[in-house]
Amino acid sequence: AQSVTQLDSQVPVFEEAPVELRCNYSSSVSVYLFWYVQYPNQGLQLLLKYLSGSTLVKGINGFEAEFNKSQTSFHLRKPSVHISDTAEYFCAVSENDMRFGAGTRLTVKP
Amino acid sequence: SQTIHQWPATLVQPVGSPLSLECTVEGTSNPNLYWYRQAAGRGLQLLFYSVGIGQISSEVPQNLSASRPQDRQFILSSKKLLLSDSGFYLCAWSVGGHLIYGYTFGSGTRLTVV
Repeated sequence: AQSVTQLDSQVPVFEEAPVELRCNYSSSVSVYLFWYVQYPNQGLQLLLKYLSGSTLVKGINGFEAEFNKSQTSFHLRKPSVHISDTAEYFCAVSENDMRFGAGTRLTVKP
Repeated sequence: SQTIHQWPATLVQPVGSPLSLECTVEGTSNPNLYWYRQAAGRGLQLLFYSVGIGQISSEVPQNLSASRPQDRQFILSSKKLLLSDSGFYLCAWSVGGHLIYGYTFGSGTRLTVV
């Protein structure tokens, strides 16, 4: 069965700095990979997803993620973050069902 | 377009009282439906999922139950709430058998049991 590990529970960064949120997965077959964002007291919104093809996936709000099959990773990146990016980010993998990581709380400081 | 509605947004209930949270989906047929819970500072815990009317699967033993009386309606219930039932409850739907579309989440219900 598939599983997801988000390596950092909290990531504090300063505004306009780059950020990387790490995600590793395990699965015995090809999977689909997702990143979701959750703003305070809201549901999860889809940021981006990898299904097949190009390993670099671009999403909303300037985020992108790179699928690395050999390292079984799907790290999320943004070259310059804003205060409004402060939120919880969830990595997810789908095989027979969807499995979510524990989440990474990104805090952007002024 | 598909939309998902979840209510109420916030709820404060005394210990021992009943609970009913409702989730409805519009613009799609035969969705897979899910109930998740987020405890403070923790990730998502899958509580129940349903692939059709009257079909409920439970992921963890607990004080809660779920029902799907109609194709696009999913209800989370409890007869007697416990303090440990406090949390943020999320409903989600997906296209049945097509995980490439991912899940679409409702806006959540913040439940505080006092």
